Amino acid sequence: GENVGLHLPTLSVQEGDNSIINCAYSNSASDYFIWYKQESGKGPQFIIDIRSNMDKRQGQRVTVLLNKTVKHLSLQIAATQPGDSAVYFCAERGTGRRALTFGSGTRLQVQP
Amino acid sequence: GAVVSQHPSRVICKSGTSVKIECRSLDFQATTMFWYRQFPKQSLMLMATSNEGSKATYEQGVEKDKFLINHASLTLSTLTVTSAHPEDSSFYICSASRSGEISGNTIYFGEGSWLTVV
Repeated sequence: GENVGLHLPTLSVQEGDNSIINCAYSNSASDYFIWYKQESGKGPQFIIDIRSNMDKRQGQRVTVLLNKTVKHLSLQIAATQPGDSAVYFCAERGTGRRALTFGSGTRLQVQP
Repeated sequence: GAVVSQHPSRVICKSGTSVKIECRSLDFQATTMFWYRQFPKQSLMLMATSNEGSKATYEQGVEKDKFLINHASLTLSTLTVTSAHPEDSSFYICSASRSGEISGNTIYFGEGSWLTVV
């Protein structure tokens, strides 16, 4: 089936630096993307989303960029804090589907 | 805000027995719920889509007779792992949609249920 994957399994950054987490997807029919944060032993927590008719969306300290040409999604976290340490997943929804397909995840480690 | 609750949060069962996990939407009605399985250090894998009042839709490779899903009310879906084996040990997560549109603001995840089969 279609796959949503990530380039970097682990990302280590210093507190205060900006973080960029990447995601590649292969389903060209996906029309909606979400970034989730998952802390150990907990369910995913919504961060930010973007629809396929957009290429950028900003939230509080986070920005999601979508490049449909190369099927690439990224999450930028500004001024990364220790509380940002977690595993981050991108998820996509294929056109006509109701369920989300999750990527393989990136662990973000923030060094104080 | 909307909350999805799972119970139990942790369960240990003996090999060959069955175990039931509940997923409840606490302050909204969910016509659709989703069940995911997550092995350690891996991603969430969709198992099935649970539809209130009808049969669940299972993903390819998921045995419907082993993972029984019942969505008998608009606030409760249950996942029963039958004849559990150690390889079924995993983190099971449900999510619920509070509206017909699936979006980050309308999908809520439970806190997950750790299943250990010994």
